[in-house]
Amino acid sequence: DAGITQSPRHKVTETGTPVTLRCHQTENHRYMYWYRQDPGHGLRLIHYSYGVKDTDKGEVSDGYSVSRSKTEDFLLTLESATSSQTSVYFCAVADRQSGANVLTFGAGSRLTVL
Amino acid sequence: AQSVTQPDIHITVSEGASLELRCNYSYGATPYLFWYVQSPGQGLQLLLKYFSGDTLVQGIKGFEAEFKRSQSSFNLRKPSVHWSDAAEYFCAVGDPNNAGNMLTFGGGTRLMVKP
Repeated sequence: DAGITQSPRHKVTETGTPVTLRCHQTENHRYMYWYRQDPGHGLRLIHYSYGVKDTDKGEVSDGYSVSRSKTEDFLLTLESATSSQTSVYFCAVADRQSGANVLTFGAGSRLTVL
Repeated sequence: AQSVTQPDIHITVSEGASLELRCNYSYGATPYLFWYVQSPGQGLQLLLKYFSGDTLVQGIKGFEAEFKRSQSSFNLRKPSVHWSDAAEYFCAVGDPNNAGNMLTFGGGTRLMVKP
């Protein structure tokens, strides 16, 4: 599983509270990603990182921020959680295979915003 | 921007029957193509991938997929389905020219297997 650990795995919070999800990897991958999974939408990219302190927005970045202060950790923050951010969040890393990068995913973090 | 369509939201097949899951993509050239599988409550596992070359690719668990450029399709097949194949399947595309390596996913197809 490319040594990916997501925490917490489950969280219930209230509208308006801040939430931080953590993705930790042990294999020194340069690229890391945060996706959210919602029924009927598959997975949609929130933000990604291409190195320490280098991040960029994805398709659904509004309401989310990220930080990567060291190679192994990629944090996703919801500054003020809303019910529309109830979702399952997946972290991924890009793993070099056969000359191209393949995404390997963590186990996911289920967030419920009441 | 690239996009992926999986026309079938749910599919039910009998155990032992053959399976084909459809995937159509929109992209200006030949993309990287992937199929992932997600068992309930689990993360995503890579089944197979296509980068270039032979258009029929073999994956894990007896799955295969065929890239058809003329149809912009990358359908997943298995000749004989097992009960353990019940899961959700996602097709994804990547842009070979994008250094960010991110993938665009289809909405998924949930496979149910009847005994």
